[in-house]
Amino acid sequence: GAGVSQSPRYKVAKRGQDVALRCDPISGHVSLFWYQQALGQGPEFLTYFQNEAQLDKSGLPSDRFFAERPEGSVSTLKIQRTQQEDSAVYLCASSPQGVLLGDTQYFGPGTRLTVL
Amino acid sequence: KQEVTQIPAALSVPEGENLVLNCSFTDSAIYNLQWFRQDPGKGLTSLLLIQSSQREQTSGRLNASLDKSSGRSTLYIAASQPGDSATYLCAVINQAGTALIFGKGTTLSVSS
Repeated sequence: GAGVSQSPRYKVAKRGQDVALRCDPISGHVSLFWYQQALGQGPEFLTYFQNEAQLDKSGLPSDRFFAERPEGSVSTLKIQRTQQEDSAVYLCASSPQGVLLGDTQYFGPGTRLTVL
Repeated sequence: KQEVTQIPAALSVPEGENLVLNCSFTDSAIYNLQWFRQDPGKGLTSLLLIQSSQREQTSGRLNASLDKSSGRSTLYIAASQPGDSATYLCAVINQAGTALIFGKGTTLSVSS
């Protein structure tokens, strides 16, 4: 597996359900990012991890959103009590070191979440 | 707050044409700027990364320029091909250096 993988690729949830989205970054990558992309929009930053530390969560839209990366590799984005406005594609990206070092970010295919 | 704008939102051209996609940003204090390509149902692929100290980067038929003082970047695609059809996104690093701030993208369609 050379790239970033995400699962599930598609998720349909009823309003009020909790969902968990998984990201497997490229092995050895220090930095991991989550983005939310609504239809017809560019990705919007949600949160950033450096190893297991969540250094920036300023983009999380509400306290219903929670992300973790407990061992510094796989990350999970959890959304509690989903609402229709949460419907979007959730993208995960990783980079070898940090963005300030000029690293590019490698993106996964995304998870398309539809909340009914 | 940094804002990134891309013009046009959509572009249709016949195969073989040279074209320019535009990106502007409101805060010139950026670390770098990247151009990405997004195909339907897929993630983003980095095309070119320009450091803040650079003026341009080239890769094959692609050339990206950066003018920090005016807050602008352009992506030039030479001799367009149907396989170039995709959405092109411009992004800059935020002031905290922790994330990319994206424009809404330009959707390009190249007809054969």
